[in-house]
Amino acid sequence: DIQMTQSPSSLSASVGDRVTITCQASQDISNYLNWYQQKPGKAPKLLIYDASNLETGVPSRFSGSGSGTDFAFTITNLQPEDIATYYCQQCDILPLTFGGGTKVEIK
Amino acid sequence: QVQLVESGGGVVQPGRSLRLSCVASGFIFRTYGMHWVRQAPGKGLEWVTFIWFDGSKKYYADSVKGRFTISRDNSKNTLFLQVNSLRAEDTAVYYCARDAGRGVSREVYGMDVWGQGTTVTVSS
Repeated sequence: DIQMTQSPSSLSASVGDRVTITCQASQDISNYLNWYQQKPGKAPKLLIYDASNLETGVPSRFSGSGSGTDFAFTITNLQPEDIATYYCQQCDILPLTFGGGTKVEIK
Repeated sequence: QVQLVESGGGVVQPGRSLRLSCVASGFIFRTYGMHWVRQAPGKGLEWVTFIWFDGSKKYYADSVKGRFTISRDNSKNTLFLQVNSLRAEDTAVYYCARDAGRGVSREVYGMDVWGQGTTVTVSS
């Protein structure tokens, strides 16, 4: 199985800050990497697909980059409604695997 | 609107069974592969199983292989998960999710629509 290593596990930032989360795959997954946002008590929501493509309706302050084994997810101009846990997921090979999650809090 | 609604969760004793259901609406269900994903209390997301749009192929996580069975009834726009021989570690919120199905070059694309989840608690 492909292991996804996500960091940091949590972070605290101020409104308006730029926040970056990284995700590393245990083997080359090309650009088959998705990012999800999960707010407390809610289902996950797809934000970014295929490493850098913004899902329809998702604000442009969210972005993704990377290919191969190393990926990054960035929130520019952090907003209070961005408080959530973010997960990366590889969709190259079954079983699909998720990173451990990054909990984003506001200072 | 596009929607998935799960049901069938509950409190069950170890070793018992449950059947989870997920009713789809707002899209052509029979053309999409479907997943079940679970989340144990306070933990991350774990992919459980995937079924092709026509039910012809099914895949399972090692942790549930041989105990869980995914199926679908395209005439009723419904996805199922039969969960047998339940263990304490199966306690989780179970989400059904639609595979994004963005093309034909890959088997899976990730999940673009999620249900609200149904809670399974395994306890004596």
